[in-house]
Amino acid sequence: DAEITQSPRHKITETGRQVTLACHQTWNHNNMFWYRQDLGHGLRLIHYSYGVQDTNKGEVSDGYSVSRSNTEDLPLTLESAASSQTSVYFCASSEGGPPYEQYFGPGTRLTVT
Amino acid sequence: DQQVKQNSPSLSVQEGRISILNCDYTNSMFDYFLWYKKYPAEGPTFLISISSIKDKNEDGRFTVFLNKSAKHLSLHIVPSQPGDSAVYFCAASEAGTYKYIFGTGTRLKVLA
Repeated sequence: DAEITQSPRHKITETGRQVTLACHQTWNHNNMFWYRQDLGHGLRLIHYSYGVQDTNKGEVSDGYSVSRSNTEDLPLTLESAASSQTSVYFCASSEGGPPYEQYFGPGTRLTVT
Repeated sequence: DQQVKQNSPSLSVQEGRISILNCDYTNSMFDYFLWYKKYPAEGPTFLISISSIKDKNEDGRFTVFLNKSAKHLSLHIVPSQPGDSAVYFCAASEAGTYKYIFGTGTRLKVLA
């Protein structure tokens, strides 16, 4: 069965370190997205990609970067982790036809100490 | 400025009764709307969608209503079951894009 996976599921890191969260989907979807979930804010879009070599900034992209070298993967990098980036991160993918519903991974809980 | 708002952070309903979750939006260019359900420690799962050219979409116990003039949509769950206890997010997509803007969520608790 097609799926979307995230790793690690839990991560504790120190302020200033670079961290990369992995996202892998086997749906063969062109569209991939990264969100963070915080209490009182719901799901906020960090970065998204509509295909290989395409990346775009979302509403909360500062301090994050992504790269898309193949269809299956969209890793999210925190260049220099900050305590404000402690959150739960979700990856999602969608196909090109309406209503473009997104399929979500199980999430990565990141703690920056 | 939040374009998609869920003004009720929580809702409690008796088992067997109707649950009504509300969502308001400000952008008239939104053309698709989705509802997601999220259990703790899991990713959100897609529930039901509606296009802006419709005012109602039904799938089993779940019905979504769209009032474009009021920029309001609602999710009805009938009858509510304890397994429906979760956080529900509404999301909206602007025409010509594949990305969605999510509301802040409503925590539904169905009491047995």
